[in-house]
Amino acid sequence: QQQVKQSPQSLIVQKGGISIINCAYENTAFDYFPWYQQFPGKGPALLIAIRPDVSEKKEGRFTISFNKSAKQFSLHIMDSQPGDSATYFCAAQNYGGSQGNLIFGKGTKLSVKP
Amino acid sequence: KAGVTQTPRYLIKTRGQQVTLSCSPISGHRSVSWYQQTPGQGLQFLFEYFSETQRNKGNFPGRFSGRQFSNSRSEMNVSTLELGDSALYLCASAQQGMHTEAFFGQGTRLTVV
Repeated sequence: QQQVKQSPQSLIVQKGGISIINCAYENTAFDYFPWYQQFPGKGPALLIAIRPDVSEKKEGRFTISFNKSAKQFSLHIMDSQPGDSATYFCAAQNYGGSQGNLIFGKGTKLSVKP
Repeated sequence: KAGVTQTPRYLIKTRGQQVTLSCSPISGHRSVSWYQQTPGQGLQFLFEYFSETQRNKGNFPGRFSGRQFSNSRSEMNVSTLELGDSALYLCASAQQGMHTEAFFGQGTRLTVV
């Protein structure tokens, strides 16, 4: 069964700190790994995404680190702000295959304390 | 550019009834996918439509069905509602199919009583 395992389930970080969320996958056919941010009452919004041909991608305060051999990837939020408080979902997708739906992790609820 | 629009935002239905949810994708997007979000199971894929054809289907019973119209708008239908169908139903649109970035709507919150 295709799975994406996400940890931790919840995370509390002080303002200005670094938030780290980890994900692991099983299917080596996955070739697209997006992260989504969801605020209460809203749908998930694409935050940042990576392909397995690079080990790191940075956009502003958000960085994805990717370890292909370990089948793991993580999201780092630098200088975390109270406005970053949301639920974060990692996902994986067989971008080039016929079964290309997103497989989501269970989510991490991030709370950034002022 | 308008985002993905889902209607209605909230629905309360009784067990045994059926329900139809609507999704209007971003203009120019031909792919519409549907996901069910619950606290216990998280986000689970229901099905995807591209150019009015169902291309992929998740592991849900036949009570869950959908369709897509020529203008790319999509509807999903759940028949014989069960309490466990209470969830946030999310629609995502993509330009060329599931193989491009997906943009989600705000969802329809369905409560079955």
